[in-house]
Amino acid sequence: DIQMTQSPSTLSASVGDRVTITCRASQSISSWLAWYQQKPGKAPKLLIYKASSLESGVPSRFSGSGSGTEFTLTISSLQPDDFATYYCQQYNSYSLTFGGGTKVEIK
Amino acid sequence: QVQLQESGPGLVKPSQTLSLTCTVSGGSISSGGYYWSWIRQHPGKGLEWIGYIYYSGSTYYNPSLKSRVTISVDTSKNQFSLKLSSVTAADTAVYYCAEGGDDAFDIWGQGTMVTVSS
Repeated sequence: DIQMTQSPSTLSASVGDRVTITCRASQSISSWLAWYQQKPGKAPKLLIYKASSLESGVPSRFSGSGSGTEFTLTISSLQPDDFATYYCQQYNSYSLTFGGGTKVEIK
Repeated sequence: QVQLQESGPGLVKPSQTLSLTCTVSGGSISSGGYYWSWIRQHPGKGLEWIGYIYYSGSTYYNPSLKSRVTISVDTSKNQFSLKLSSVTAADTAVYYCAEGGDDAFDIWGQGTMVTVSS
């Protein structure tokens, strides 16, 4: 299986901050990476697919970059609605795997 | 707009089989090119992909669960189902159905909590 490692596991930030979350794959996954946002008690919501493509309806303050084994999710200016847990997920191989998650907390 | 809804027992006894169904509305499960997945989340933990099925019936399962998992599709009812056998407390989780498998998961059900307990 391809292992996905996210960092940090927890991030404290303030409204307006620029936030970056990193996801590393144990082997190359080309650009077959997605990012999700999950709020307590809710299903995950797709933000980014194919590493850098913004899902329809997702605010433009979210962006993704990277290829191969290293990827980043950036929130350009953190908004109150953005405090949540974020997961990366690879779909390069038949066996799909998620990162462990990054919780973005209010500082 | 396609929507997904999970259904099934919220409580399963140890050693029994967990059975859940996902009903697809607003679109046909037989539409070509779509894969239908099950994903779970243990309480307070991350996401674990269980497996997916193509409308034709082709399946692929998480190797760590493969021996206990069966995913099937009923095109006449526009549903797909999950069976997980020989459950233990470690299978207690929120179970989600989702559209995706060869691509990102862009549509999710709301999730259903399943507790394994006697």
